[in-house]
Amino acid sequence: EAGVAQSPRYKIIEKRQSVAFWCNPISGHATLYWYQQILGQGPKLLIQFQNNGVVDDSQLPKDRFSAERLKGVDSTLKIQPAKLEDSAVYLCASSLVSAAWDAEAFFGQGTRLTVV
Amino acid sequence: GIQVEQSPPDLILQEGANSTLRCNFSDSVNNLQWFHQNPWGQLINLFYIPSGTKQNGRLSATTVATERYSLLYISSSQTTDSGVYFCAVTLDQAGTALIFGKGTTLSVSS
Repeated sequence: EAGVAQSPRYKIIEKRQSVAFWCNPISGHATLYWYQQILGQGPKLLIQFQNNGVVDDSQLPKDRFSAERLKGVDSTLKIQPAKLEDSAVYLCASSLVSAAWDAEAFFGQGTRLTVV
Repeated sequence: GIQVEQSPPDLILQEGANSTLRCNFSDSVNNLQWFHQNPWGQLINLFYIPSGTKQNGRLSATTVATERYSLLYISSSQTTDSGVYFCAVTLDQAGTALIFGKGTTLSVSS
């Protein structure tokens, strides 16, 4: 069974530029998450989707970050404009059941973003 | 919000040694997972263990939900065990996502 796929693996951009990340969850997984992991810290949730609806985006900096999950499958996360403090690894995860609790989550390899 | 505390923050071992990593959480949880983050940043699922004990090879884990802690045991450690180990929990509420601790960085030398 294929895992969570993310692209690109690495991205270097200048501050104030825009960037987009793509995630394809495990087939059949209803819940999709985007996490931000700053060096030396644990991952922090940015946004959680259930099918194509947003469950939790309370920690998403909405002035610059946006995310969508069209058709309840693939998802994209965008940053516009990027700031230096956005340098981090962006992780996508998915879990099977529609209720996000009591469900094992699986992570992709992540996208390492460097903003210079 | 819920606090997830992992200890120790750093651990240095010789190959072959055993170790115990601890995860304390401050509220009732419905899910607990242990992950190993390898040097390339990939989060590898180790255990999905909201309660009870599980074993997988040299690794085992125990969660005592009523006392709000979980333990990850690594026996006969190998250099490939190096990396960061994360504990993550979800609150006992439908619809919540995993909340991570700060991790334990393990270094195993030969």
